[in-house]
Amino acid sequence: AQSVTQLDSHVSVSEGTPVLLRCNYSSSYSPSLFWYVQHPNKGLQLLLKYTSAATLVKGINGFEAEFKKSETSFHLTKPSAHMSDAAEYFCVVTRMNRDDKIIFGKGTRLHILP
Amino acid sequence: NAGVMQNPRHLVRRRGQEARLRCSPMKGHSHVYWYRQLPEEGLKFMVYLQKENIIDESGMPKERFSAEFPKEGPSILRIQQVVRGDSAAYFCASSPGTYYEQYFGPGTRLTVT
Repeated sequence: AQSVTQLDSHVSVSEGTPVLLRCNYSSSYSPSLFWYVQHPNKGLQLLLKYTSAATLVKGINGFEAEFKKSETSFHLTKPSAHMSDAAEYFCVVTRMNRDDKIIFGKGTRLHILP
Repeated sequence: NAGVMQNPRHLVRRRGQEARLRCSPMKGHSHVYWYRQLPEEGLKFMVYLQKENIIDESGMPKERFSAEFPKEGPSILRIQQVVRGDSAAYFCASSPGTYYEQYFGPGTRLTVT
């Protein structure tokens, strides 16, 4: 069975400071992991994905995430927050098996303070 | 390449009416997924379809909800006899295959009055 836990429901950072959104997963097999972002009243946009290649994954808008198998984590980071980063972020896990669903975390709302 | 299209973007229905939500996947994508998002909650998987086949409907309520993805035309999510609790944002996503990331549409916001 698979599961994904986003450890913080809300994160607030000041503009220009680093962002860290935490995600832990549980999977019996090698997972595929994704981060999506949802701006208010919009659909979800793929930020980045990990599918068993390089463990440090770079995404759009300066975001990156590192797959750490020993810690079962896939935390999302950005060196310097921008006001436009204020949104909801979802960590997602699935695996390379046609019978598996995609499991979404409950989301982390990122607030950017001026 | 146009993205995933959903219509209508907003839909208002009275209790007891039917709601019909449409999703046109990205060109070349034959896999469609429907999700429901309630206020202040994450996305909940509802159903996964390929052309003319329902692959996984384990997230669909047993009654009043149905989905199809015909050989021609968009995927349809149908909610019969809507109730207030059906008010939510419904998102459709598509992918070119099971192992690929999903691309999301802008959603349909259903309000039941």
